[in-house]
Amino acid sequence: ETGVTQSPTHLIKTRGQQVTLRCSSQSGHNTVSWYQQALGQGPQFIFQYYREEENGRGNFPPRFSGLQFPNYSSELNVNALELDDSALYLCASSWQGLAGTDTQYFGPGTRLTVL
Amino acid sequence: DAKTTQPNSMESNEEEPVHLPCNHSTISGTDYIHWYRQLPSQGPEYVIHGLTSNVNNRMASLAIAEDRKSSTLILHRATLRDAAVYYCILRDPTPGSGSARQLTFGSGTQLTVLP
Repeated sequence: ETGVTQSPTHLIKTRGQQVTLRCSSQSGHNTVSWYQQALGQGPQFIFQYYREEENGRGNFPPRFSGLQFPNYSSELNVNALELDDSALYLCASSWQGLAGTDTQYFGPGTRLTVL
Repeated sequence: DAKTTQPNSMESNEEEPVHLPCNHSTISGTDYIHWYRQLPSQGPEYVIHGLTSNVNNRMASLAIAEDRKSSTLILHRATLRDAAVYYCILRDPTPGSGSARQLTFGSGTQLTVLP
């Protein structure tokens, strides 16, 4: 069973640029969630995709957007990067049924630095 | 969302039991108590969850107070590999509940295991 993978591992961008982060979900999972983790803090929920539709969103502006593909891989796009976007971005996949809480399986994250 | 309160840090000696407390005085009747941990340079990983009864798995035990306003994660024999940030999270599995979709992380407890 392949775990959750993310690419790239590290990324350096400058303010105002755009970035795309990628995630490959665990086999059989239909849901992907993205989190932002600033240094020294717990992860903060950005959004979740279920069967290619956005299923919930945290307190993040629209310049944070995402996609989920039929093979359940996913992208996180951030436009107009700001210095405060520097963080570890975590992807988590899960299998979500009609009800109940799902166990989320996290990837190792992408470390984004905005200069 | 109901909130949790955890100590910022704890220390334990290797091969001794560790009791990590979590207070959740505003927990609702349908909230499950989940624990995740994050090892250095890794994404969070699921540890255990429960509703009312104490729970055991290969990683840990979860002791839930009778009034459910607090819980304790128990590592029976701490190893150096257990050094991590431990997060206590409440999740409501009710369909349509926002917290069923996301994990709401606090600051967690940094566990240091001394050799």
